[in-house]
Amino acid sequence: DTAVSQTPKYLVTQMGNDKSIKCEQNLGHDTMYWYKQDSKKFLKIMFSYNNKELIINETVPNRFSPKSPDKAHLNLHINSLELGDSAVYFCASSHWGQVNTEAFFGQGTRLTVV
Amino acid sequence: DAKTTQPPSMDCAEGRAANLPCNHSTISGNEYVYWYRQIHSQGPQYIIHGLKNNETNEMASLIITEDRKSSTLILPHATLRDTAVYYCIVRVIQGAQKLVFGQGTRLTINP
Repeated sequence: DTAVSQTPKYLVTQMGNDKSIKCEQNLGHDTMYWYKQDSKKFLKIMFSYNNKELIINETVPNRFSPKSPDKAHLNLHINSLELGDSAVYFCASSHWGQVNTEAFFGQGTRLTVV
Repeated sequence: DAKTTQPPSMDCAEGRAANLPCNHSTISGNEYVYWYRQIHSQGPQYIIHGLKNNETNEMASLIITEDRKSSTLILPHATLRDTAVYYCIVRVIQGAQKLVFGQGTRLTINP
């Protein structure tokens, strides 16, 4: 009964391919996120959705397209993969705007573009 | 969100208290101090947060100075499993929980 689950855990693909990472949360949260952790270990937010609506988009190339079919799912599709996209991608979820809550993160998807 | 400054690394002996400092001198009155940790490339894990009063939970204690310009996370009896990168984050509670991660402190617990 994992709270935030991502699939796949590892993804190795060639440059130019299109790939998707899936994320699901069973915490009843209404807000979900994608973060990217690069080789230097810096964690940066990419997107956030609240009730299926995009609310944060942090200067991410438009090759990255998040999709939220419902509140419990936030998928990340990446077109025309580049070497620089290699990173660990973390999905997270939380409640919207409540004080005494925190963000829960998935275990990460390690994407390697060769 | 205000910027935070943390030492890049610290060591602590197993069983001792680990005290991790964080400076946030530009913190605003409505900004909270949050702590997360990341154990060996796993997803970040929430530890604790506070506004101005000291806070304690089953994982740690958070001590915030009276002027709120700095804080200390205390792990009272550190174990080897507490070896991780610890992030101090300052943010306003509104809407989405956009977390701005700095470099954090790499805490190593030694046997």
